Amino acid sequence: AQTVTQSQPEMSVQEAETVTLSCTYDTSENNYYLFWYKQPPSRQMILVIRQEAYKQQNATENRFSVNFQKAAKSFSLKISDSQLGDTAMYFCAFMRDNYGQNFVFGPGTRLSVLP
Amino acid sequence: DAMVIQNPRYQVTQFGKPVTLSCSQTLNHNVMYWYQQKSSQAPKLLFHYYDKDFNNEADTPDNFQSRRPNTSFCFLDIRSPGLGDAAMYLCATSREFLRPEKLFFGSGTQLSVL
Repeated sequence: AQTVTQSQPEMSVQEAETVTLSCTYDTSENNYYLFWYKQPPSRQMILVIRQEAYKQQNATENRFSVNFQKAAKSFSLKISDSQLGDTAMYFCAFMRDNYGQNFVFGPGTRLSVLP
Repeated sequence: DAMVIQNPRYQVTQFGKPVTLSCSQTLNHNVMYWYQQKSSQAPKLLFHYYDKDFNNEADTPDNFQSRRPNTSFCFLDIRSPGLGDAAMYLCATSREFLRPEKLFFGSGTQLSVL
């Protein structure tokens, strides 16, 4: 069974600073996908970024980037130039390749961006 | 603009009294999901529909049922809610099931059981 761990239940960062959220996972699969989802106070979960395990290049979406270390089974999210609107719960998620979208979510990290 | 709509936003029911949560989508997606999210926990998949095919997760209690009368609507029925069923219920959609596309989530229904 796959498991996803997020070791930081809560974090805070000053506006305009950079913050990194950590995620580790356990799987015996070789092909899989990793995601970061954001759940702001409005509660609607939104995809932040996605990484295919077979791609060595780290995914980037504007101010969001990941550091994917396949051998270490690590998938951290870096948020640059943090904005107040980044305040949210962040969930790391794992999905097996070709197995359907049964995401395994981590427990989440609550990020507060401080003015 | 809202693509996945859940009503109501807050639902209060009594212990043992059946309750139905609703979800609608304007995306014409094939797949609809129901997740349960308890306080400070990750969302947990209860079941999903691929078109009209219902797929139950192995550990989803029998107390939870679902209906999908058409592409746009999906309902979550809790036959006899217990105190442990108090949670946020999230509806999500995706165009396909096997491909790793993103999920589109609704804003959730917060269920309280008195």
